[in-house]
Amino acid sequence: AQSVTQLDSQVPVFEEAPVELRCNYSSSVSVYLFWYVQYPNQGLQLLLKYLSGSTLVESINGFEAEFNKSQTSFHLRKPSVHISDTAEYFCAVTSNTGNQFYFGTGTSLTVIP
Amino acid sequence: ETGVTQSPTHLIKTRGQQVTLRCSSQSGHNTVSWYQQALGQGPQFIFQYYREEENGRGNFPPRFSGLQFPNYSSELNVNALELDDSALYLCASSRPGGGGNIQYFGAGTRLSVL
Repeated sequence: AQSVTQLDSQVPVFEEAPVELRCNYSSSVSVYLFWYVQYPNQGLQLLLKYLSGSTLVESINGFEAEFNKSQTSFHLRKPSVHISDTAEYFCAVTSNTGNQFYFGTGTSLTVIP
Repeated sequence: ETGVTQSPTHLIKTRGQQVTLRCSSQSGHNTVSWYQQALGQGPQFIFQYYREEENGRGNFPPRFSGLQFPNYSSELNVNALELDDSALYLCASSRPGGGGNIQYFGAGTRLSVL
């Protein structure tokens, strides 16, 4: 079985400051890892994913995440946040068969002007 | 290409009733997954359908059932509604081919059980 733990339920940060949203997973098999973002009253949108290869993955809007197998982590980072980054962020894991997804409980990122 | 659409957007039911939620998958996608997202929680996987067959199931009782149609649209049915079934129900579609494929989510149906 797989599970995901997001260590911070709420993260307030000032605009243009760096941020890290933490995610740890547990699994007995190889996994794929994802970060999704959810804006108010909307569905989830994919931010970035790790399947294989380079352990550092980047999104088009400046977020990046690093897969650390030894620490079973997939933390999300951004060097400088904007007001528009205020949203709920979810870490997710799935096996390579892809027929079950496991989400964390989410981290609410609030960017303060 | 059209995105994932869900209907209705909001629904109010009473305990013991039955409900059907609908989802139209994104063009070219033949895999549909359903999730329950309680307030303040992450989405919980209910089940997945691929080519009209259930392809995986989370830890939900049998009163949660589904269908997928030849055009790959899908329904989630919940019988004997309980108060704890109040949640946002999300549908996601994806292309076939395993766990690496991106899931595209609809905006969800918010179900309130009174």
